[in-house]
Amino acid sequence: EVRLVESGGGLVHPGGSLRLSCAVSGLTFSNSWMHWVRQVPGKGLVWVSRISNDGSTTTYADFAKGRFTVSRDNVKNTLYLQMNSLRADDSAVYYCGRVEYWGQGALVTVSS
Amino acid sequence: SYELTQPPSVSVSPGQTATITCSGYSLSKKYAYWYQQKSGQAPVLVIYEDNRRPSGIPERFSGSSSGTVATLTITGAQLEDEADYYCYSTDGDGNHIGIFGGGTKLTVL
Repeated sequence: EVRLVESGGGLVHPGGSLRLSCAVSGLTFSNSWMHWVRQVPGKGLVWVSRISNDGSTTTYADFAKGRFTVSRDNVKNTLYLQMNSLRADDSAVYYCGRVEYWGQGALVTVSS
Repeated sequence: SYELTQPPSVSVSPGQTATITCSGYSLSKKYAYWYQQKSGQAPVLVIYEDNRRPSGIPERFSGSSSGTVATLTITGAQLEDEADYYCYSTDGDGNHIGIFGGGTKLTVL
């Protein structure tokens, strides 16, 4: 069974930082290009970032460039999203996944 | 910027055919993927690479693509198909930026 479990969400003040983790099992993580997607409750899905299977290539949405960093540990089968300089409009549920599989999401709330 | 455009809503009666379109210039070069998302749940892939169906997805779900328009068709829609549907692709300029359509709320009643 494929499982993706996000963690690290929570409440953070504007300008603060947060690191999301995504523990993956049931698939060959080291062969998988992985993505982060976010969704404001009640709104649509928004693509955030992706990383190649070996971590050598990363791509970001314009709003994430310079503030977010995606990385991975292929020994721990874990994907990460480091988010800095957070703003209120970064508040959303963040999903990690491969094209075929997605986790249940981690809620990030940016508020003073 | 790159955009994929979907109708905000589609309504069908049970047993009828639902058609959801997704338009964007990148679709002439890149595959379309379709996700189903029910309230409070993670998205589920129902069509990949324009017209391929993952295992476990009912045969009533099909996809097609022509030019800059991709289409998701649900033949004989069921009550349980009521959900939000999103198309996904990547930009056609080699930047590998992901794009979701705005989503279509499918109502089956």
